[in-house]
Amino acid sequence: AQKVTQAQTEISVVEKEDVTLDCVYETRDTTYYLFWYKQPPSGELVFLIRRNSFDEQNEISGRYSWNFQKSTSSFNFTITASQVVDSAVYFCALRATVAGAQKLVFGQGTRLTINP
Amino acid sequence: NAGVTQTPKFRVLKTGQSMTLLCAQDMNHEYMYWYRQDPGMGLRLIHYSVGEGTTAKGEVPDGYNVSRLKKQNFLLGLESAAPSQTSVYFCASTFGNQPQHFGDGTRLSIL
Repeated sequence: AQKVTQAQTEISVVEKEDVTLDCVYETRDTTYYLFWYKQPPSGELVFLIRRNSFDEQNEISGRYSWNFQKSTSSFNFTITASQVVDSAVYFCALRATVAGAQKLVFGQGTRLTINP
Repeated sequence: NAGVTQTPKFRVLKTGQSMTLLCAQDMNHEYMYWYRQDPGMGLRLIHYSVGEGTTAKGEVPDGYNVSRLKKQNFLLGLESAAPSQTSVYFCASTFGNQPQHFGDGTRLSIL
């Protein structure tokens, strides 16, 4: 089965704290892609990162970093020194082959609130 | 550079009415998708298309129909709207292994 689990439904932290959003996935594909999207209060979906299954290097982009571990089927997202503007719902997604077609399977999302 | 455009942005329907949501992309993408987003459930795939003239069912297709007569457009139809179809609908497009580009969403309420 192709599945993405974001066990943290809601997280609330104080500004400048570090926060990690967890993502665990299941797939039978040997080649697959993982994504993170951000949905701010305005509602649009903003692409953050794509990682393919052959690249286990961690990624850092400013205050954002991603830790991909195939051994634990996890693709976690860390925000360092969080800011109020980081408040959003964050989705982890897996692109997998379902019935012969490439599809995105989304996790349930984690609502992150950064309090000033 | 419009990207993915969804029309309308908001709509209120009465139970039993029909309507069509339009998705247009100007990136020449082969793949197009319709999702619905409900609280606590993430995005769920309704229907998708891998090219002009093709459509296929996703995870939650019941009560919806789609058409892809032109490569740039992907229409989602509700023949007889039900309150359970109250949701936010997102259209997306992509090609190859690229990330999906999403529209801004359509907020649909069925009374």
